[in-house]
Amino acid sequence: EPEVTQTPSHQVTQMGQEVILRCVPISNHLYFYWYRQILGQKVEFLVSFYNNEISEKSEIFDDQFSVERPDGSNFTLKIRSTKLEDSAMYFCASSERTGRNYGYTFGSGTRLTVV
Amino acid sequence: GIQVEQSPPDLILQEGANSTLRCNFSDSVNNLQWFHQNPWGQLINLFYIPSGTKQNGRLSATTVATERYSLLYISSSQTTDSGVYFCARMGRLTGGGNKLTFGTGTQLKVEL
Repeated sequence: EPEVTQTPSHQVTQMGQEVILRCVPISNHLYFYWYRQILGQKVEFLVSFYNNEISEKSEIFDDQFSVERPDGSNFTLKIRSTKLEDSAMYFCASSERTGRNYGYTFGSGTRLTVV
Repeated sequence: GIQVEQSPPDLILQEGANSTLRCNFSDSVNNLQWFHQNPWGQLINLFYIPSGTKQNGRLSATTVATERYSLLYISSSQTTDSGVYFCARMGRLTGGGNKLTFGTGTQLKVEL
């Protein structure tokens, strides 16, 4: 079964540093997403990406965050200057299409720890 | 905003027992997904079920969209079923794609 691949699985970074989280969505999928989950809390939407641009972002997704699909296969989330409160599990997801018969496939997540 | 509530918040079962998890949502859905988050944090897709009933092995799910709820049934539970179960309501985004609004989760522990 096709998978969404995320790297790294764990990352520890110092406050103020930039991090890039990487994702390879399923190859025929058209819609790409980032979600995050702070420890012990529910999963929250960050951003959706379609046709090489952001289609919607949440209020969490401020100017410190950016996404990119640099080469047609990778999909990255960049945090420019990390804060302690950015510590969370970050999930990438993709879907083939929208509509009732198309669900999401999530990657295994990147656990980001900001110290 | 859209609310997705799950019950019970916590559940402890003996191996072999059956259980029903419930998900209530405050608005109409384009689709609804059930996920299992395993102890390593991975989100495993169980079902996407906008309406009706689906079955996959010991698990089945039913969504009654008109009454805005979904149920996940786990039969003959095993210790490997432990983890957090999330439902997520899928709504359309005007710019393209869908957005999942996750519920609060049910923490399940299955004991020997």
